[in-house]
Formats: sequence, structure tokens, C-alpha cells
Amino acid sequence: DAGVIQSPRHEVTEMGQEVTLRCKPISGHDYLFWYRQTMMRGLELLIYFNNNVPIDDSGMPEDRFSAKMPNASFSTLKIQPSEPRDSAVYFCASRNLPGQGSSGYTFGSGTRLTVV
Amino acid sequence: GENVEQHPSTLSVQEGDSAVIKCTYSDSASNYFPWYKQELGKRPQLIIDIRSNVGEKKDQRIAVTLNKTAKHFSLHITETQPEDSAVYFCAASRGNNFNKFYFGSGTKLNVKP
Repeated sequence: DAGVIQSPRHEVTEMGQEVTLRCKPISGHDYLFWYRQTMMRGLELLIYFNNNVPIDDSGMPEDRFSAKMPNASFSTLKIQPSEPRDSAVYFCASRNLPGQGSSGYTFGSGTRLTVV
Repeated sequence: GENVEQHPSTLSVQEGDSAVIKCTYSDSASNYFPWYKQELGKRPQLIIDIRSNVGEKKDQRIAVTLNKTAKHFSLHITETQPEDSAVYFCAASRGNNFNKFYFGSGTKLNVKP
């Protein structure tokens, strides 16, 4: 399995521009999560989906952020308009329903976003 | 919501020594506690986890202990090696599906050869 695949790996954009981050979860995983990591705030959950349906978006910082999951193999996180304070590493993660074994997420490699 | 505190923020040990990282949580309903290792510039990776129905779990040189009464859990790494150098994150979650993970602030472990 290729794991959770995110693109792009790095994104540099100017303030005010629209940014779209992409994620392909592990095939068969029913849950998909978007996290943001910064030095100041650590790892923060932005939103998660179950079977393509958004379940909890209470971590989305503002209306400038939106996320979609049109099918089981693809999700996007969009920031419009972007601001310098959005600069962070954005991780996507996926998992199945927890069984008797591990219930942890599998993270993607992340997208390092820099807004100048 | 849940609040997870992690200590220390940095830890430096000599190769071969043991390292202990501690976390406390605030929500007594939390029942799942994973630990992640993140090497510089890479993704967090699950290294061990524990559910609230057990007090200790081991996997080779790594162990996690849980004290539900005191609401704290710890990661123990024995016989540390330079490749153990990384940032370690604890997390807590609750409910049947453990979906929302509340992460600690991380511990940067440096193992000196």
C-alpha cells in the first residue's frame, strides 16, 4: 500500500491567493482527518470525515477554510483567501474503525504551506 | 474539551540510557492513548498505544504505562539509540471510535552517541 498520499509537498503562495491541498487516503479506510501543525500550536485537528461525510469541523479556524471529500479516495482542503498566519504543515491522516489492534491514524507526508 | 500536557519539552540522554516522557490529561472519559514519533521533516508515526482497560503495554524497547486514577501516562524507552532521536507526541481520545485525538505539545528527544 502506498500509504496516505498528499500533494503538493511544498506550496509557496502570495497572501490573498487560493490554496488547495489534496489527499488520497489509504484504500478501504473509512475515516479521513486534516491536521495542521505549527510550532506555536502543535498538532490541531481541523476536520474529519467518515464515509465521505464531514463529522466534526469545529477545528476549522475560519470561513476561509473549507474541506471536501467527493469520494472515498480523495479529499481537498482549501484556503481562500490565504494569509501569512496560515503558514504551517498540513497533514492528512486516515484509518479504519478501531478493532482489537491499533486504533491510530496513518499520516501522510504533509504539505508545507508558506504564505508570503 | 480535553487538555493534554506533556513534559519535558526537551530531553537529552546518553546512548544506552533510558528516557521517560510524561503526559497528563484532563478528561476522565478519555480511553485511548497513542504515542507518535516524528523525525525531522517527516510525518508522525504511531509507535505504541494503550487503551484504558490495561495499565501497561510493551513493544521491545518501548513501553507505555497508564494511571487512570491520576490521569497520566508515560512513554518509556530503554537502551536508547541515536535513531531514537525525534519529537515524540502523546495524545488522548475518548468514545467508541477514538476519532478526535488531542495531542500534547511534543518532547524533543536527543540521544547522544
